Amino acid sequence: AQKITQTQPGMFVQEKEAVTLDCTYDTSDPSYGLFWYKQPSSGEMIFLIYQGSYDQQNATEGRYSLNFQKARKSANLVISASQLGDSAMYFCAIKGYGGSQGNLIFGKGTKLSVKP
Amino acid sequence: AAGVIQSPRHLIKEKRETATLKCYPIPRHDTVYWYQQGPGQDPQFLISFYEKMQSDKGSIPDRFSAQQFSDYHSELNMSSLELGDSALYFCASSSGGPGNNEQFFGPGTRLTVL
Repeated sequence: AQKITQTQPGMFVQEKEAVTLDCTYDTSDPSYGLFWYKQPSSGEMIFLIYQGSYDQQNATEGRYSLNFQKARKSANLVISASQLGDSAMYFCAIKGYGGSQGNLIFGKGTKLSVKP
Repeated sequence: AAGVIQSPRHLIKEKRETATLKCYPIPRHDTVYWYQQGPGQDPQFLISFYEKMQSDKGSIPDRFSAQQFSDYHSELNMSSLELGDSALYFCASSSGGPGNNEQFFGPGTRLTVL
């Protein structure tokens, strides 16, 4: 079984500053993947970044980077140079590769508000 | 690039009615997942299909059923609707079976039960 914990219900950040959204996970699968999704108020789920458990390097996608610390079971999302359009809910999710299950398990999310 | 299509985008039903939500995966994607997201909640996995067979089942009520058709589109059938079924229903698709990494989400169907 997998579990995701996001301890920050809400975060504020000043425009153009960097922000870190926390995510810790628990899993019994030796191989797993970690995902971050953005959900704006319009409701769609936008894929941001993926980190495999065996990836040697931290994933980066433009202004998004994933600070993966396997020993600590954490996969924090770092957004650099925040923009007003980054205001949204952010969900961390995990997927195990130990069996036939392919579904994502989500955390409760963090609501990010970017201030001008 | 083609994305996951869901229809309808919005649906309003009365209690005890039935509803059918449709999902058209990205072309050549063979795996479909359904998620339910209640107001202010995280998405919860309902059910998934791979190559037209059910591959996994999550917290799907017995009142709901789903299937994947020969053209890989999927339908979620919901009967005896309750107020608590009001939610955003996402469909996601991937290729290469449940073990593959990426799941591409559709825009969701917002169901309101009155």
